[in-house]
Order: sequence, then C-alpha cells, then structure tokens
Amino acid sequence: DTEVTQTPKHLVMGMTNKKSLKCEQHMGHRAMYWYKQKAKKPPELMFVYSYEKLSINESVPSRFSPECPNSSLLNLHLHALQPEDSALYLCASSRTGTAQETQYFGPGTRLLVL
Amino acid sequence: ELKVEQNPLFLSMQEGKNYTIYCNYSTTSDRLYWYRQDPGKSLESLFVLLSNGAVKQEGRLMASLDTKARLSTLHITAAVHDLSATYFCAVIRGGATNKLIFGTGTLLAVQP
Repeated sequence: DTEVTQTPKHLVMGMTNKKSLKCEQHMGHRAMYWYKQKAKKPPELMFVYSYEKLSINESVPSRFSPECPNSSLLNLHLHALQPEDSALYLCASSRTGTAQETQYFGPGTRLLVL
Repeated sequence: ELKVEQNPLFLSMQEGKNYTIYCNYSTTSDRLYWYRQDPGKSLESLFVLLSNGAVKQEGRLMASLDTKARLSTLHITAAVHDLSATYFCAVIRGGATNKLIFGTGTLLAVQP
C-alpha cells in the first residue's frame, strides 16, 4: 500500500465552526507533514511530525492545531478560521523524516471558509 | 533564505514539440525533486535527483541536475496532451529534517 488518504475531500465551514481534517498512511512511515496550497501557488509547509512528535511548526496561527495520535494518523483541527485560510490542504508522509527521503502526498482536502 | 524559481511560469506548446522547464535555487542542495500536479489533484513524484550531473528519464520527460550552477532542467520531448499539468521542482531546505521548498510551478498546456 503506497497511498496517503485524506478525508474529507471537500469541506465548507463558517468562521465560528470547529472541524478536523484527517490523514492516514499505512506505509510504515514515521514522518508526516501538513502543507497548505493556495490556488496557482506552490505548497507551503505548515507542520512536520517525526515519530509522533511535532518537530516543525512553520509559525502557523494557533487556529490550526495538529495532532498525531499514532504513527499512521495525522489530524489538523480547525477553529475560528478566516476566509483567507481557504485552500487545498495536503498531507504527506516519508519514511523517517530525514533529508534523504521522498515525500508522498495525499489527494488533499479542499477547504472553503465562509 | 532558500528561494526556488522556475521559468517559464506558463508554457503553451503544440503536440510533438520539445521544450525545457528551468529550476534555479539559491543555496546549496544535493537533492532536487520534480513533482507533477493535475488540476485539483495532489502531487505525484516524478524524479529525485541526488547528485551533480544526475540525469533521469521517464517516457517523454528527462530531468537533470547541475549542483554547481544550482540549476535543474525538465526536458519534454515530443509533447502529448496527457502531459498537460503543473510541474513543480522542490529542494530540501537543509538541516536534519525533510523541509521541502517548492518552486513557483510551471503550468504546461499541450495543444493538439
């Protein structure tokens, strides 16, 4: 299984809602990533988890809260988002998180904040 | 700060023609990736270039890396419509972690 899955595929939420994005992989990878991609722009790294510990937070606002319950699962909890947070949110994984590995991307969740 | 630039940003080409996409990066890196993204879809890994002079080919795509010039190229041979997509190069930012910095992307449209 070489797949990273993400749910939901699409999400519409209001600025006062709380929602969560889910990412799962069964490749035995121990590093997982969240990226944000605005339309016609490259992906931008948000968070990195390595061995279930948060190793990188790219100065992301606290309204985004990541969680890694186990080595296969990565969540992104959303609260009090702004319309400018509307984007494609991509999850990726790699074997251990060192600088020698290809990252494999999930299909993404397209988020619209109203 | 590591910057990764691609040109052109948009490329419209006819089927059967050849063209090259360029990727320049600002600081030393020994590893460069090329990804493809179809509209509304995720990123598909195309190539990993590991060392100076590395060349990899898959079908009509060939990628090369010149670490001294901090330049990678993605050459398209005899383009077909199925190659229409956005192509990103990406470079590791450095340090112990796998922090990918993506280029600006090149939107390729192959016309019949």
